[in-house]
Amino acid sequence: EAGVVQSPRYKIIEKKQPVAFWCNPISGHNTLYWYLQNLGQGPELLIRYENEEAVDDSQLPKDRFSAERLKGVDSTLKIQPAELGDSAVYLCASSLAGKRYNEQFFGPGTRLTVL
Amino acid sequence: SQQGEEDPQALSIQEGENATMNCSYKTSINNLQWYRQNSGRGLVHLILIRSNEREKHSGRLRVTLDTSKKSSSLLITASRAADTASYFCATRTNQGGKLIFGQGTELSVKP
Repeated sequence: EAGVVQSPRYKIIEKKQPVAFWCNPISGHNTLYWYLQNLGQGPELLIRYENEEAVDDSQLPKDRFSAERLKGVDSTLKIQPAELGDSAVYLCASSLAGKRYNEQFFGPGTRLTVL
Repeated sequence: SQQGEEDPQALSIQEGENATMNCSYKTSINNLQWYRQNSGRGLVHLILIRSNEREKHSGRLRVTLDTSKKSSSLLITASRAADTASYFCATRTNQGGKLIFGQGTELSVKP
């Protein structure tokens, strides 16, 4: 069974440019998460989807970040415009809702460098 | 904002020794989970302990939970070079399904 797939794995852009990350969760997982991980830190939740609905986006900086999950499967996370401080690893995870102790499965992440 | 603090931030041991990592958190939880992250990779779930449990084992892993002290520990016995990674605790509160991660312990096991 394929795990969580993310692309690209690495992205280098100049500040003020837009960037987009893509995530394909594990088949059948209806809950999808985007996390931000700074160097030497644990992941911090940006947004959580239950199917197509964003149920927790309180930590998403909505002035420059946006996300969508059309059809409740794949998801994209966009930053426009990117700032120097956005350099980090962006992790996508998925889990099976309905399981009471929902273990999350993580993708390898996209390492973003903003110059 | 991160819920927990992990201690130590970095740990270096010889192969065959035991490694102990500690995690403290601030609010009431439904469960606490430990994840491993190898360099440049995503996180891998290791073990989950529920708030009504005190100890749990999985292979060479032993996790304890003290809800009165709001703390947990992860013990890796007979460590191997392949255990070299960062280890994160994550707590899930009773409100919603959000996981809140600690800052992690970087473990280095020297052959």
